[in-house]
Parts: sequence; C-alpha cells; structure tokens
Amino acid sequence: KQEVTQIPAALSVPEGENLVLNCSFTDSAIYNLQWFRQDPGKGLTSLLLIQSSQREQTSGRLNASLDKSSGRSTLYIAASQPGDSATYLCAVSWVEGQGAQKLVFGQGTRLTINP
Amino acid sequence: NAGVTQTPKFQVLKTGQSMTLQCAQDMNHEYMSWYRQDPGMGLRLIHYSVGAGITDQGEVPNGYNVSRSTTEDFPLRLLSAAPSQTSVYFCASSWDGMTYTQYFGPGTRLTVL
Repeated sequence: KQEVTQIPAALSVPEGENLVLNCSFTDSAIYNLQWFRQDPGKGLTSLLLIQSSQREQTSGRLNASLDKSSGRSTLYIAASQPGDSATYLCAVSWVEGQGAQKLVFGQGTRLTINP
Repeated sequence: NAGVTQTPKFQVLKTGQSMTLQCAQDMNHEYMSWYRQDPGMGLRLIHYSVGAGITDQGEVPNGYNVSRSTTEDFPLRLLSAAPSQTSVYFCASSWDGMTYTQYFGPGTRLTVL
C-alpha cells in the first residue's frame, strides 16, 4: 500500500529565506506527483505536477524535484514571503483500468513565514 | 471558467438524516472524485468516476453513494448520516485529454450531531 510522508509537519521561518519541504513515498511505481497548497478553510490549489519521467518542474519561485528511485520529492521555495504561509501537501498518483487516477496524499507541512 | 464548484459550504445534520452534496465542473474533465479530510487522517478518497455513467469506490466508500449522469456533475449522497461522517468534503476533477492536474472545489464542512 502506497504511503506518503511529509516532514516536517510544521515549519516557521523568517521572511526572505529559501526553504525546502520534503515528501517521501514507499512505492516508486507512480504516474505523477503533485504539490498542492491549502489555505485555512479553503480547497487545494495545484502548484506543480511532475510526471514520473521528469526530474523537476518550476513555476516562479517554486521548484519541485522528483527522484523516483529513492521515493522522494522536494519543494523548494525561494525568497519566502508572508503570503506563502499555508499548508503544503504532496500527492502521488497512479492510473488504473479505465483511466482512473488514484491519489494518495501526505499529511502536509504547515508553513509559517514571519515578517 | 468557474472551475469546480461545491454546494453547500456548510451543513449541519442530525444522525439518520440524508443529504446530497453537490459538485459541478465546467472544464470538461472526464475524471471526478470525492475526498474527505479529517485531522490526523489527511485526505481520503471516497468515490470516483472516470466518465458519465461510470463510478467506483475509493478507500472509504461506506455510507456514501454517487452517480454521474453528466460530465459536469458528480453529487455525493449521504444515506443515513452518522457522527463519524463529520468532516470536510472536497470534490476534485482532472483529465482534459492533456494533463492529470487535479482541480479542487472549495469544500463542504459537514457536522453530524
């Protein structure tokens, strides 16, 4: 059974710092990995999607890497801002049968950026 | 595009009552799914659909029914509400023929007394 772990559970850093969030998964047979952001009381917003054949994806100040063989992904946030404060979740997926995409989520890292 | 919409935003039920959580998407996505999010448990898949008329169970399907008569709509029915179904429910959609990026609705916060 696929298990996804995110460490640390919470992280607090001063504004302007570069930081790394970690995600590990137990089964390397994944289709893709996604990083999401969730603000309190809100739904999830997709930040980056990395296909299993890719090593990394970038969007603005965000960079996500994927190492399937070791079962790890990292989300790098450059020059952090208070607006980056949120919970970040990673999810791995595989595709079954008629194209059903199954996702397994980590518990998330609650990030606080202090002004 | 409105993306994925969910109604209601909040709901309080008494044990034994039934209700339907509504979900709609306007992105012509084939794949839709329902998750529940509970503290310490993360997000868990309840039911999913790969297209109109096709549904299947996820990790925690007991006590819930779904149907998919159109590409746009994917309602979740609680048959006889129980306190264990107190949770935040999210609907998601994906697959427009090019990408599996998941788009989530804003959620429904359900309390069962």
